Amino acid sequence: AQKVTQAQTEISVVEKEDVTLDCVYETRDTTYYLFWYKQPPSGELVFLIRRNSFDEQNEISGRYSWNFQKSTSSFNFTITASQVVDSAVYFCALSDSNTGGFKTIFGAGTRLFVKA
Amino acid sequence: DVKVTQSSRYLVKRTGEKVFLECVQDMDHENMFWYRQDPGLGLRLIYFSYDVKMKEKGDIPEGYSVSREKKERFSLILESASTNQTSMYLCASRPDGGELDNEQFFGPGTRLTVL
Repeated sequence: AQKVTQAQTEISVVEKEDVTLDCVYETRDTTYYLFWYKQPPSGELVFLIRRNSFDEQNEISGRYSWNFQKSTSSFNFTITASQVVDSAVYFCALSDSNTGGFKTIFGAGTRLFVKA
Repeated sequence: DVKVTQSSRYLVKRTGEKVFLECVQDMDHENMFWYRQDPGLGLRLIYFSYDVKMKEKGDIPEGYSVSREKKERFSLILESASTNQTSMYLCASRPDGGELDNEQFFGPGTRLTVL
């Protein structure tokens, strides 16, 4: 069965600290996609990144970076030099061919507080 | 600017009432989804639709039904609201059909309280 685990329920950091959000996934499929979404206080989830199972290259986008490791089934998200605007709930998600691509499995989310 | 809109941000209903949550997208997406979000549980899929008049059950369809009469509109119906349906409801849409790699576009959510 597919599963996404975000073990960190809440994280609190001070502005300019680096923070890593953990994501561990389970799937029996060899073809799958992983996503990160951000949910700011306004409520609307915003897509951040997608990664397919055949591409283990890490990605950097400004202060955001993602580390995908198939060996540990992890897709971790790091924010460098955090800012107050990064305060949000972050969701990791998985979709695979077992669900026909229609069902995306979301983790429970990690709430990040960045204090000024 | 692509958009998914939901009819209400906040809604308060009484037990036993019939509740309609409306979602409209302007991106001509084939796929639409209804989730509920509860603390510690993340997002759980209630129903999805991959075409007009087509619908499929998600992981927690009990107590809910849906309607998709037009491509841009996907409605979630609580036939007889109960207190355990108090939650945040999120609508999403996604382009194309059956592909794994497309992200979903979300509405702002409706926070429903059932008294």
